[in-house]
Amino acid sequence: AQKVTQAQTEISVVEKEDVTLDCVYETRDTTYYLFWYKQPPSGELVFLIRRNSFDEQNEISGRYSWNFQKSTSSFNFTITASQVVDSAVYFCAPYSSASKIIFGSGTRLSIRP
Amino acid sequence: KAGVTQTPRYLIKTRGQQVTLSCSPISGHRSVSWYQQTPGQGLQFLFEYFSETQRNKGNFPGRFSGRQFSNSRSEMNVSTLELGDSALYLCASSFRDRSYEQYFGPGTRLTVT
Repeated sequence: AQKVTQAQTEISVVEKEDVTLDCVYETRDTTYYLFWYKQPPSGELVFLIRRNSFDEQNEISGRYSWNFQKSTSSFNFTITASQVVDSAVYFCAPYSSASKIIFGSGTRLSIRP
Repeated sequence: KAGVTQTPRYLIKTRGQQVTLSCSPISGHRSVSWYQQTPGQGLQFLFEYFSETQRNKGNFPGRFSGRQFSNSRSEMNVSTLELGDSALYLCASSFRDRSYEQYFGPGTRLTVT
């Protein structure tokens, strides 16, 4: 069975600070995918990134970066130079074909001006 | 390209009734997934349809059902509504099945009284 833990329930930072959202997952599957989604106050979830279990290369996309470490079962997400528009709930979600996609409980990120 | 649309956006029903929610995916997308989001249980996967076939199903009772039409539009039905079914029901579409690089609709807010 899969399990995902987002230990940070809420984070509040001042604009322009860097912030890292943690995600720890459990799976018995050897092949799986990891996702991050964002849910702004408008309510619509927005896909951010997909990473497969064979690709541990970390990725940077603009102000966003992801750190995937299979050895510690972590898939953390960092926003650099945060902006007020980054305020949202962020969900980490593992998926494997042997299981179903499972969303973490989410981390509510508030960026204060 | 138009996004995922869901109708109705808001719905109030009483216990024991049934309800049908509709989802129109992005043009060209053949996979539609449904999710239930509640404050207590978070975001949970209901089922996925691809080419009119259910490909995956979450751990929900048989009162929850769905279908997909030849034009990829999907409906989900909840029979014998219970108070605990009050939730935001989200629909998401993707080009391939089990991709989960999904585009979400705004959701249908269902309130059961």
